[in-house]
Formats: sequence, C-alpha cells, structure tokens
Amino acid sequence: AQSVTQLDSHVSVSEGTPVLLRCNYSSSYSPSLFWYVQHPNKGLQLLLKYTSAATLVKGINGFEAEFKKSETSFHLTKPSAHMSDAAEYFCVVSGGGSNYKLTFGKGTLLTVNP
Amino acid sequence: KAGVTQTPRYLIKTRGQQVTLSCSPISGHRSVSWYQQTPGQGLQFLFEYFSETQRNKGNFPGRFSGRQFSNSRSEMNVSTLELGDSALYLCASGLAGQETQYFGPGTRLLVL
Repeated sequence: AQSVTQLDSHVSVSEGTPVLLRCNYSSSYSPSLFWYVQHPNKGLQLLLKYTSAATLVKGINGFEAEFKKSETSFHLTKPSAHMSDAAEYFCVVSGGGSNYKLTFGKGTLLTVNP
Repeated sequence: KAGVTQTPRYLIKTRGQQVTLSCSPISGHRSVSWYQQTPGQGLQFLFEYFSETQRNKGNFPGRFSGRQFSNSRSEMNVSTLELGDSALYLCASGLAGQETQYFGPGTRLLVL
C-alpha cells in the first residue's frame, strides 16, 4: 500500500520569497507522484507529475519538484511566490499498475503575505 | 478541449433522501474516478470506472454506488443520505493506460 505525508499543514511566505512544500511518500514499488493545487471553492488543478523519467520535474506557474528515492521525498518548490499562489497544495501518489486510485496527502495551505 | 464537467454544482438534501451526481469526462477519456473531500477526512477515493466497468473501489459503504455509460459519462448515487455525507464530490478523468487524472470543479452536497 502507498501513503503520502505532507510535513506542514500550513506554510506562510512573503511575496517574492521562495516556496518549499514538503512531501514524503511510502510505496512498495516505483511510484508515480503528483502535485495538485486547489484554490478556494475550486476543483483540483494538476501542477506537475513524476513518472520515472527525469527526477527534477517542472510544472506550471514556475513550480518544480525533485524526486529523491533515497529520501522518499517529492518536495515542491518555487523561486518566488506570487499572491496568486495562495491555495491548498496536495501531494499525491498513484496506485500503480492498473490501479489508478490516487492517494492524497492531507494538504498544505500556502499563505502569501504582501 | 473542454474540461471535466460536473452537475449540479451545488445541492441541498435532507437526511434519508438519495442523490445522483453527474460527471462528463474530457473528450477521449475513458477512465472516470470519484473522490469525496471533507475537512476532517481530506480527499478519499470512492471508485473508478473504465469502459462501463468498476475497476477499483474505495472503503465506502454500499450506499455509495456509481455507473458509467457507453459515452464514458458517469453518475454517482448516494442513498439514504446522512449528515456526514456533506462534502465536495470530485470527479476526475484520464486516458486509457495513463495514471494522470484531471479533475472537475466538484459538486458541493449539503445534507440537512
């Protein structure tokens, strides 16, 4: 079985400063990992995905994540936060094989201060 | 290309009633999954359909059921509604053989 732990429930940054959202995963096989973002009263938008190609994955809106197998981590970063980045972020692992069930972390709420 | 659409967007029901939610996937997507999102439990997997067959199921009671039609549209039904069923229900679709799923805006269900 797979699981995801998002290490921070809330992260607060100032506009223009770097963003780091931390995620550790547990899986018995080589997983596919995703980051999704949810703005208030909206559905989930795919930011980026890792599917065993390059370990550094670039996504939309300047976000990127690095897959580190030795640390079982998949942290999300952005060099410079914008006010529009304020949202909840979910780290997600896929079931693998023909099992497309997604297992979500509890989410990290990102606040961006002016 | 149009995204995943869900109807209705908002719904208010009373305990004991039943409800049907609808999801239209992205054109060409044959996999449809449903998730429940609540403040307490977060996002939980309900079930996944592919080519009109339920392929995976989460740990929800039998009151939660679904189906998929030949055009890949899917419906989810909840019978004998309980207060705890109040949630945002999200539908996601994906291409055959690919794990990436794309989500709709959700249906917010309030049970009174």
